[in-house]
Amino acid sequence: GENVEQHPSTLSVQEGDSAVIKCTYSDSASNYFPWYKQELGKGPQLIIDIRSNVGEKKDQRIAVTLNKTAKHFSLHITETQPEDSAVYFCAASRGGNNRLAFGKGNQVVVIP
Amino acid sequence: EAGVVQSPRYKIIEKKQPVAFWCNPISGHNTLYWYRQNLGQGPELLIRYENEEAVDDSQLPKDRFSAERLKGVDSTLKIQPAELGDSAVYLCASSPRDPVSTDTQYFGPGTRLTVL
Repeated sequence: GENVEQHPSTLSVQEGDSAVIKCTYSDSASNYFPWYKQELGKGPQLIIDIRSNVGEKKDQRIAVTLNKTAKHFSLHITETQPEDSAVYFCAASRGGNNRLAFGKGNQVVVIP
Repeated sequence: EAGVVQSPRYKIIEKKQPVAFWCNPISGHNTLYWYRQNLGQGPELLIRYENEEAVDDSQLPKDRFSAERLKGVDSTLKIQPAELGDSAVYLCASSPRDPVSTDTQYFGPGTRLTVL
């Protein structure tokens, strides 16, 4: 099955700087790649997703890039704010009725 | 639009006791998922329903776990008897019916289970 790995496990950034989290996946047939943000005591919240027919997608301060050849995709957060502090999970699936495989998560800490 | 609703939010039980979790998906979402999230890990799928049919339950420990979604809306996940290793957050998620966004899963707040 699909195996998703995230790096680094913990990332600390100064407020206003950018944060980048990278995920690698193993199944070349995967075509759907969402990113979730999870705050303490809450469920994962979808923040952005990308499909394999697109190389990059942006939504305000958040962007995701996909490199199908290298089988990795990255989350970019610009102008970080304290409320961006959370655990971020990447996931991958073949889409449709196929299972979504999650990474172990990255703890992002934004230092005011 | 109301999100996925789960109850209870927290549950503490002693080992060997039964426990049940309830989920109400987003209105109109025909696909419902139950996940288990261990501390420091990502969610892992336990079971997926399409309407009232369980279409992927290969990772559900069937000796002690059971689930139902009788009318294709609400769902209940049960553990009987609970073991120490079942301590985790149990998440419910749902997906809409339309083909364009059916991959998108929306999660509830979860139920944190502690087994003593």
